[in-house]
Amino acid sequence: AQKVTQAQTEISVVEKEDVTLDCVYETRDTTYYLFWYKQPPSGELVFLIRRNSFDEQNEISGRYSWNFQKSTSSFNFTITASQVVDSAVYFCALSEGETSGSRLTFGEGTQLTVNP
Amino acid sequence: EAQVTQNPRYLITVTGKKLTVTCSQNMNHEYMSWYRQDPGLGLRQIYYSMNVEVTDKGDVPEGYKVSRKEKRNFPLILESPSPNQTSLYFCASRLFTGGNQPQHFGDGTRLSIL
Repeated sequence: AQKVTQAQTEISVVEKEDVTLDCVYETRDTTYYLFWYKQPPSGELVFLIRRNSFDEQNEISGRYSWNFQKSTSSFNFTITASQVVDSAVYFCALSEGETSGSRLTFGEGTQLTVNP
Repeated sequence: EAQVTQNPRYLITVTGKKLTVTCSQNMNHEYMSWYRQDPGLGLRQIYYSMNVEVTDKGDVPEGYKVSRKEKRNFPLILESPSPNQTSLYFCASRLFTGGNQPQHFGDGTRLSIL
């Protein structure tokens, strides 16, 4: 069975600090997909990134970067120079393979608070 | 605008009074699903549908029903709601049934069962 663990329940930083959100996953499949979603205080879920199991290249998008390491089953998310608008709950999620009905399994979420 | 629309956004009701949360998507997506979000538990899948007339249980299906009579609609039905179903509910859709597609989420429905 697939599982996603986000051990950091809450993180609080001061604006302009860098912050890393940890995500560890478990799966028996060799083909799988990892996702990060952002849930701002308004409540909607915003898709941030998808990474497949065959692509271990790190990705950078503006102040956001993602570090995928299969050896440690981790898919960590770093925000550089954090801003107050980054305050949100962040979810890491896993989907196994191409099978019909592949479900998305979410971690517990990390509440990030960026203080001015 | 491509979107997933849920209604109502907020509902307070009483134990045992049947309710339906509607979900509609305008992206011609095959796959639709329902999740509930509870503090400390993240989002858990309730039911999903791979296409019209094809539905299956997720991780927490007890107390819920769904139907998929049309491709765009996927209502969530609580026949006899109980207080432990108080939660934030999300409907989601994705283009195909494969797991590589990101899911598009509705804005959520906050249900309070008294």
